[in-house]
Amino acid sequence: IAGITQAPTSQILAAGRRMTLRCTQDMRHNAMYWYRQDLGLGLRLIHYSNTAGTTGKGEVPDGYSVSRANTDDFPLTLASAVPSQTSVYFCASSDSNGGQGTDTQYFGPGTRLTVL
Amino acid sequence: GQNIDQPTEMTATEGAIVQINCTYQTSGFNGLFWYQQHAGEAPTFLSYNVLDGLEEKGRFSSFLSRSKGYSYLLLKELQMKDSASYLCAAMDSNYQLIWGAGTKLIIKP
Repeated sequence: IAGITQAPTSQILAAGRRMTLRCTQDMRHNAMYWYRQDLGLGLRLIHYSNTAGTTGKGEVPDGYSVSRANTDDFPLTLASAVPSQTSVYFCASSDSNGGQGTDTQYFGPGTRLTVL
Repeated sequence: GQNIDQPTEMTATEGAIVQINCTYQTSGFNGLFWYQQHAGEAPTFLSYNVLDGLEEKGRFSSFLSRSKGYSYLLLKELQMKDSASYLCAAMDSNYQLIWGAGTKLIIKP
């Protein structure tokens, strides 16, 4: 593994089903993020984690949950999918250290999710 | 509120120069990022500015004016592979990125 991987690449899901999007990084970055990207809108932050064992809510957290049991993995769960959650989901990570340095975020390849 | 504005779409000619502007309003400011995103792919980091002035990196340069809440990305000697969306993002006081909707750059031969 080099960088950030996401799985699945794409998924079609029936409304009401539960779905977990997986994200793994091998850069030992402390911070990880989940975004959704919709046509005509900027990337919107769903949830983030500054370090293993902690998580926080972003701009659009409703209907999503995350966990950060270790440094490398940051899964995103849709408990009961709805059509408005149709989107492209990107996971990102950064070597964030409280603002020292550039906090540059590096992105995974994305998961294209369609909820019918 | 927090807001990032950038043009929706721009067209330029191969070999020419193009400037993509971005204005931002954030609660606090900890730097301005530019990313490139080809269709169907992930955003990739291009540049970071936190001090006023111009940062040059090969054919790409990025400028920041903190007093004006303004940045631009300058692309020189345009190539067809530069056809992509360019995303502007400002880092707020909580070190979270606020993203613009992106500027789709179309390069014509």
